[in-house]
Amino acid sequence: QVQVQESGPGLVKPSETLSLTCTVSGGSLYSSDYYWGWIRQPPGKRLEWIGSIQYGGTTYYNPSLKSRVTMSVDTSKSQVSLKLSSVTAADTAVYSCARHYRAFVRYRGNGDGFDIWGQGTVVAVSS
Amino acid sequence: QSVLTQPPSVSGAPGQRVTISCTGSGSNIGAGYDVHWYQQLPRTAPKLLIYGNTNRPSGVPDRFSGSKSGTSASLAITGLQAEDEADYYCQSYDTSLSTYVFGLGTKVTVL
Repeated sequence: QVQVQESGPGLVKPSETLSLTCTVSGGSLYSSDYYWGWIRQPPGKRLEWIGSIQYGGTTYYNPSLKSRVTMSVDTSKSQVSLKLSSVTAADTAVYSCARHYRAFVRYRGNGDGFDIWGQGTVVAVSS
Repeated sequence: QSVLTQPPSVSGAPGQRVTISCTGSGSNIGAGYDVHWYQQLPRTAPKLLIYGNTNRPSGVPDRFSGSKSGTSASLAITGLQAEDEADYYCQSYDTSLSTYVFGLGTKVTVL
């Protein structure tokens, strides 16, 4: 059974770069049916999709964060990474990794979703 | 900003039926994009509960059902059980924002 687990520093200083890793176990990154996504939830706010990446490296980013986000994949380690630059207190959130399924592939639908989530990791931005 | 609106909380006695609404707009649900629902039990990762408006993943009890009409969607829980106490989120895609959007979440309390 596929599982995902986030890891990374829990505290980042303002203006620095937040770096997180998502390790995929119990399955392969190699699938054109899925992407691997990052989603965050600031305290008291709604879940926010940050972006998704396919195993070949094709990325899809939230336009509101695109200028600061970089995602990459390391298939040898079965890991997906997230970097968010120039962080501020507004980037304080629980960051989750999730498997992003393609609706059309899964059920001939329209509008993808996320079917396997990690527990999430708390990242605070503070000096 | 186009977002999905959910009631902050709903409650019901064991055995009752509760529904959670998810109201969107013409740039997301109304544009034909599917709605997905997630259940987050306390201190656990979100779990996919309903995908593609009405479909249940394997292992999800048939007490949970989803529907969609126009610019809104709903999640119904029939035969409410204590283990259903959780936060529930709806999610869709918004073509104006070019991003996946979530509701703020609804806390279900079993009385």
